Amino acid sequence: NAGVTQTPKFQVLKTGQSMTLQCAQDMNHNSMYWYRQDPGMGLRLIYYSASEGTTDKGEVPNGYNVSRLNKREFSLRLESAAPSQTSVYFCASSEAWVGRGEGYEQYFGPGTRLTVT
Amino acid sequence: AQSVTQPDIHITVSEGASLELRCNYSYGATPYLFWYVQSPGQGLQLLLKYFSGDTLVQGIKGFEAEFKRSQSSFNLRKPSVHWSDAAEYFCAVGLTNDYKLSFGAGTTVTVRA
Repeated sequence: NAGVTQTPKFQVLKTGQSMTLQCAQDMNHNSMYWYRQDPGMGLRLIYYSASEGTTDKGEVPNGYNVSRLNKREFSLRLESAAPSQTSVYFCASSEAWVGRGEGYEQYFGPGTRLTVT
Repeated sequence: AQSVTQPDIHITVSEGASLELRCNYSYGATPYLFWYVQSPGQGLQLLLKYFSGDTLVQGIKGFEAEFKRSQSSFNLRKPSVHWSDAAEYFCAVGLTNDYKLSFGAGTTVTVRA
């Protein structure tokens, strides 16, 4: 049981390049999330997917797109990378049973450290 | 708008001393409350959670947290820290009508010998 996996672990891009961050979970969770972590700002939600086939914007969606490929996989795409997107990106998943506390418990991947030059 | 505040950006504590990290939230109803820990270069690991019932909750690694409704707080404590407790700690809050979490900015804990 690997939990939440992310690839790649590290990436360096030049401004304007594109790339896709991959995330997969093997816990049969309904919801998946993409966050970015910047010093002093905690985790900020980029996009989330409440269930297979749905995606919604979070707090900081500009410059990103997502795809919920199936129940297991949720990818994050940067179409034209900018230096402001230099960050550590985390994927997470949860059961998302609204109204039940256990449904809110999120499980995190190890992160992708992205540098845009 | 909902918010989660961790007033202390950085705390330094001696090994063996007690530790308390503060977390305050601004919501109308009682939310679901979590503390996560992030060791350097790692992802986030759940330390403990509060949903309802007993306001003092126990977590992993000897941590506990107390929910105080009157103060809208969920402070994390450990009686005696170990060098391995050096990490960044995040408080997170979820509302009962939504399945997203809002995170505080984090508190970095340094443990000195």
